[in-house]
Amino acid sequence: DTAVSQTPKYLVTQMGNDKSIKCEQNLGHDTMYWYKQDSKKFLKIMFSYNNKELIINETVPNRFSPKSPDKAHLNLHINSLELGDSAVYFCASTTGLGLYGYTFGSGTRLTVV
Amino acid sequence: AQSVTQLDSQVPVFEEAPVELRCNYSSSVSVYLFWYVQYPNQGLQLLLKYLSGSTLVKGINGFEAEFNKSQTSFHLRKPSVHISDTAEYFCAVSARKTSYDKVIFGPGTSLSVIP
Repeated sequence: DTAVSQTPKYLVTQMGNDKSIKCEQNLGHDTMYWYKQDSKKFLKIMFSYNNKELIINETVPNRFSPKSPDKAHLNLHINSLELGDSAVYFCASTTGLGLYGYTFGSGTRLTVV
Repeated sequence: AQSVTQLDSQVPVFEEAPVELRCNYSSSVSVYLFWYVQYPNQGLQLLLKYLSGSTLVKGINGFEAEFNKSQTSFHLRKPSVHISDTAEYFCAVSARKTSYDKVIFGPGTSLSVIP
């Protein structure tokens, strides 16, 4: 009964390809996020949606496009993948203005070769 | 804007010894503070949080942290660590606002518990 689930868990692809990562939460939360964790474990926020509305959009290449069909789902599509996109991507969700903290998914390890 | 510094990138400690992981933050506004733990190949899990009130907060797995406003610190402590505490620990901060704000994470501290 996973609270925040991401698919796929691992993704290996060639440079130039387009790929998507999906995230779903069953917690009834109203806000979801995408974070990128690099090889040094540094976490950087990418996007956030609140009730399907984009509320945070950090300085991310426009090759990255998030989509939230409903408040329980947040997907990330990446066009023209580059070597530097290799990282672990985490989805997270929260509610109550984030005062309860975030619930994270287990991550998607993306490797671009 | 907020920022977080974790002074120690790696902390080795013997089993059953006490440990303190240091966190300092910078912000021009009041903040909320969090500690998260990441076990190998897993997502992050909330350990504890400071929102307001008592400056000493207790979390899961026997961890506690103390908020010190004058020193802008939020250090994490455990009196006796176990092998299972080996993990990456992240301090995080967000601005105290009436709307959603992003949580900024520190660079992490890798805790290694030595048998």
